[in-house]
Amino acid sequence: DVKVTQSSRYLVKRTGEKVFLECVQDMDHENMFWYRQDPGLGLRLIYFSYDVKMKEKGDIPEGYSVSREKKERFSLILESASTNQTSMYLCASSLRSSPLHFGNGTRLTVT
Amino acid sequence: AQSVTQLDSQVPVFEEAPVELRCNYSSSVSVYLFWYVQYPNQGLQLLLKYLSGSTLVKGINGFEAEFNKSQTSFHLRKPSVHISDTAEYFCAVSDGGGGADGLTFGKGTHLIIQP
Repeated sequence: DVKVTQSSRYLVKRTGEKVFLECVQDMDHENMFWYRQDPGLGLRLIYFSYDVKMKEKGDIPEGYSVSREKKERFSLILESASTNQTSMYLCASSLRSSPLHFGNGTRLTVT
Repeated sequence: AQSVTQLDSQVPVFEEAPVELRCNYSSSVSVYLFWYVQYPNQGLQLLLKYLSGSTLVKGINGFEAEFNKSQTSFHLRKPSVHISDTAEYFCAVSDGGGGADGLTFGKGTHLIIQP
């Protein structure tokens, strides 16, 4: 069974801090994704990656960057956290055109 | 561009009653359709998917959905709900099979089961 692990369930950070959200998958999937989930807005795609060192912007990339140095790991970076980035962040992975498998999410609060 | 509309943000239903969660999509190309479920404090779990073939798709936990191309709909149904079905349900669409370029999600429907 595919396992997508997000390193933190809850994070509290201060405005202006640099924040790293880590995601690891154990099934050698090519594709990895970062979404944010907000009440009433559903899930919105921030960034995704087809392969190591490859990245593509999603629908709402502003204020975020990503890193994929190894196939199993996809990091989301908030260069300077702001209060409007308080949200639930969901990582997902997939093999070619197969359905996405999601992690349990990281709830980030920026104060 | 694709979009997904889930017509109801909340659906309250009594236990053992039938339920339908509505989903409409817009896309200019062939689509692949998905329903995901999110239980409290968890990530999303795939319920069922339509990629091709039969328009009636059966998924886990007794759910099914019907792809209707003329109505551009993919409504989710269950004939008899259980208290454990209380969750957030998301409809999603992709033109790349779901894995190639991610999914476009609807805003979600909160299914509330009343005893």
